[in-house]
Order: sequence, then C-alpha cells, then structure tokens
Amino acid sequence: DSGVTQTPKHLITATGQRVTLRCSPRSGDLSVYWYQQSLDQGLQFLIQYYNGEERAKGNILERFSAQQFPDLHSELNLSSLELGDSALYFCASSVFAGNTIYFGEGSWLTVV
Amino acid sequence: AQSVTQLGSHVSVSEGALVLLRCNYSSSVPPYLFWYVQYPNQGLQLLLKYTTGATLVKGINGFEAEFKKSETSFHLTKPSAHMSDAAEYFCAVSLRDSGGGADGLTFGKGTHLIIQP
Repeated sequence: DSGVTQTPKHLITATGQRVTLRCSPRSGDLSVYWYQQSLDQGLQFLIQYYNGEERAKGNILERFSAQQFPDLHSELNLSSLELGDSALYFCASSVFAGNTIYFGEGSWLTVV
Repeated sequence: AQSVTQLGSHVSVSEGALVLLRCNYSSSVPPYLFWYVQYPNQGLQLLLKYTTGATLVKGINGFEAEFKKSETSFHLTKPSAHMSDAAEYFCAVSLRDSGGGADGLTFGKGTHLIIQP
C-alpha cells in the first residue's frame, strides 16, 4: 500500500459525458501528479500540482482539467469524453523536497 | 527535455536465470532514475531509485541497478528469476525541480518480463 488513495477504482461512462477522478496523496506529501496509461500511448504525464498550485503540465488535453484543494487532495476532471479516453489514470504524490514519487492503484475509465 | 528508452518490449528468461532489463536515458542535467514494477491489474510499485552517491542501487525483491553516466544507462538486474517476478517493468527519469525535489516522471514504454518454468 503506497498510501495514495484513488477513487473510483472503476468507472464506465458514455461518450460526451464528464467524470471526476479523486486522489488523496500520502500524508505529508505536497505534490500531486496525474498520469494516463493506455495501450497505445503508454504512461503519459498529465499534470503536477504543488500545495494547491499548478507546477508542471504534460500531455493534458484541453478537455481535461485538474485542481488541488487546501486539504491537498486532488481531482482530475475529464469532459466531453471520447472512446480514446478509455485508460487507467494514476495519481501519484511526493514530498516537495523529496525524490520519490508514490503511485496509487489507479482509476480504470471505460468510455462506451 | 528528457527521454527513456527501454530495449526490448518483452524479455523471457528461465526460472533461476539472470534477469537483465535495459534502460538508457537522455537528459541535459543529472537526472533521478527509477525502476517501477506493475503487476497485472495493479498500480506502479517503486523497485529502486538512483539520486546521488553510490551508483549501484539495491531495491526490493532482490533487484539492483547500476547508474553508468558514461553510457547513460540504468539497467535492472536480478541474479535469479522467480516466477513471481513476471510483470511489466518501467524505467523512468526525473529532473530535479527548483526545490531539489522530483519533477514529473518520464517513463519508458515498459518491458514485459516473462519467466519460463
């Protein structure tokens, strides 16, 4: 158990819909990261937050957005969903001055 | 920008044989280097990491990796494979951010390790 908690574990939704994935980082970790894992793209870095502020942006689509709240939990919002958005979405966290990133077990999103 | 290349999308070894998974990186500055393992239908688990200091890094489950700056490599090895080692292995690189912490990870495409009985 990494200490990073993600909900829901599985989600099935229709094209055009909007979903929210939730992440609670490890206790004491200020940085939160979101990754997408799909068969064709592999593991892609989406976005990073540190203590509530966006810190780095990767290959995140404009239809996707994220935020980190004062209690440090984070949400990834995916809208206007397409079939190609079906993937495993990971949240990860790290201490700001640390160098190890711990991953949650992921949220499986299936768009039908 | 940094990048990671894992040689071999699939590696098959016999139980008890040496495991060698190759990883080469590209980075303009000294990176942090990681190996993660992903078992079927599970998340990513950190095997080991290199930050600074000793270039031979020991991790969990008997794995180790050696950072070779001249070869820009960070190959993962295990002397004797077990059936339970069958999984997907990812090499990753991270740059140091301004606070000395890890920036976002850039992953290789992964190597599927198959253990033959």
